[in-house]
Amino acid sequence: EPEVTQTPSHQVTQMGQEVILRCVPISNHLYFYWYRQILGQKVEFLVSFYNNEISEKSEIFDDQFSVERPDGSNFTLKIRSTKLEDSAMYFCASRFGRAPTYEQYFGPGTRLTVT
Amino acid sequence: DAKTTQPNSMESNEEEPVHLPCNHSTISGTDYIHWYRQLPSQGPEYVIHGLTSNVNNRMASLAIAEDRKSSTLILHRATLRDAAVYYCILMSNTDKLIFGTGTRLQVFP
Repeated sequence: EPEVTQTPSHQVTQMGQEVILRCVPISNHLYFYWYRQILGQKVEFLVSFYNNEISEKSEIFDDQFSVERPDGSNFTLKIRSTKLEDSAMYFCASRFGRAPTYEQYFGPGTRLTVT
Repeated sequence: DAKTTQPNSMESNEEEPVHLPCNHSTISGTDYIHWYRQLPSQGPEYVIHGLTSNVNNRMASLAIAEDRKSSTLILHRATLRDAAVYYCILMSNTDKLIFGTGTRLQVFP
């Protein structure tokens, strides 16, 4: 069964460093997302991406964050200058068709630890 | 975004049916009812969704009240692997999932 994959599974970085989190969505999906979950808290929406542009972003997704689909398979989240509060699980998701009739499929997540 | 209300936690024994309720009294006519779950240390996982009629798939059943102000996710025979946090989420035109705190389901052997 097709699945969303994410790498790395765990990333440790120092405050102020740039990180890139990578995702490979399901191959025929057209809509892509990033969510994050701080330990013990809710899953929070960050950004949605369709047709090579951001469709929607949350207040969390400020100028320090960017997303890119550099080729036909990868979808990346970049944090330019990490802060301690960016420590969280980051989940990538993809969807075949438009909401609300289609479901999202999530990856296993990347645990980002900022020290 | 339309709001849902779920119990914080529920318990079940293995191989028994589980009925997870969700109230959504402010649901609009175009809102679909989606259910996701999150197993420990994993990403959210789609379970089922519906609009008006009851729905069945290999994982669960979704029973939707006639007035659509509530719904129930039914796991027909709970297994230990079903222990997770279950989220009831309303979706209409928005593309994003808004997760609440969900219902933490414990399954006992």
